[in-house]
Amino acid sequence: DAKTTQPNSMESNEEEPVHLPCNHSTISGTDYIHWYRQLPSQGPEYVIHGLTSNVNNRMASLAIAEDRKSSTLILHRATLRDAAVYYCILSVWGAQKLVFGQGTRLTINP
Amino acid sequence: NAGVTQTPKFQVLKTGQSMTLQCAQDMNHEYMSWYRQDPGMGLRLIHYSVGAGITDQGEVPNGYNVSRSTTEDFPLRLLSAAPSQTSVYFCASSYGAGTPYEQYFGPGTRLTVT
Repeated sequence: DAKTTQPNSMESNEEEPVHLPCNHSTISGTDYIHWYRQLPSQGPEYVIHGLTSNVNNRMASLAIAEDRKSSTLILHRATLRDAAVYYCILSVWGAQKLVFGQGTRLTINP
Repeated sequence: NAGVTQTPKFQVLKTGQSMTLQCAQDMNHEYMSWYRQDPGMGLRLIHYSVGAGITDQGEVPNGYNVSRSTTEDFPLRLLSAAPSQTSVYFCASSYGAGTPYEQYFGPGTRLTVT
C-alpha cells in the first residue's frame, strides 16, 4: 500500500475554514484517496473520497493536486463537533482493507 | 436503520478465557470486517467477509476466529484471551467489497484482558 504523510496535529477556530493536508508521493494511478475521521470514543466515520478530480459533499471538499501526489481535505466552516482524528488513506480499487495510519488530530477552539 | 451495532460495549476477561464479540448490520451489506485499535494507533484489519459463508484473514488474524452464516451477522471469537488482545474492536460493513465503497463502522467494543 502506498504511504501517506499527515501532520500529527492541527488547530483551528470555530466557524473558520480548515485545510488538512496529506502527502502521498508514491500514489499509483489506481489508488483512491479516502478520508475518514474518528471522533472521541467512536468508530471511524467516512468523510469523502476521490480519484483524480476534486470532490464535494455535504461534509467537506477534497482538493487533489494535478500530479496526485498530495491532497487537501477542506472543512468549510469548522464546528466544535469537527474535533477528531482525520485519516488520509490510499486504497487501490477492490482492495479489501483500509490501512489507517496515525492521522491528524484536529482541535477546534471556541 | 440502526446501522452497525456491536455488543458488548465493554468487556473484561481473564487470560485464557474465550468470548464472542457480536456485530450486526441492517443495511444488507455484503462486506463486513473486524479491526482492532490499540492506544494511539490506527486500525488494523483482523478478518473480513465478502458475503455469507466466505471469510478471509486480514493482517492480524492470530488468536481470532470468524464465521458468517448470515448477511447480517459477523461475530468475532477470541479463542483463549491474552493481555496482548487488550484493545478496542471495531466492526465495519460496506455495500461492496473494498474500495471505493464507503465503510460504516460500529461504535466499538473495549476489551481488557487481565
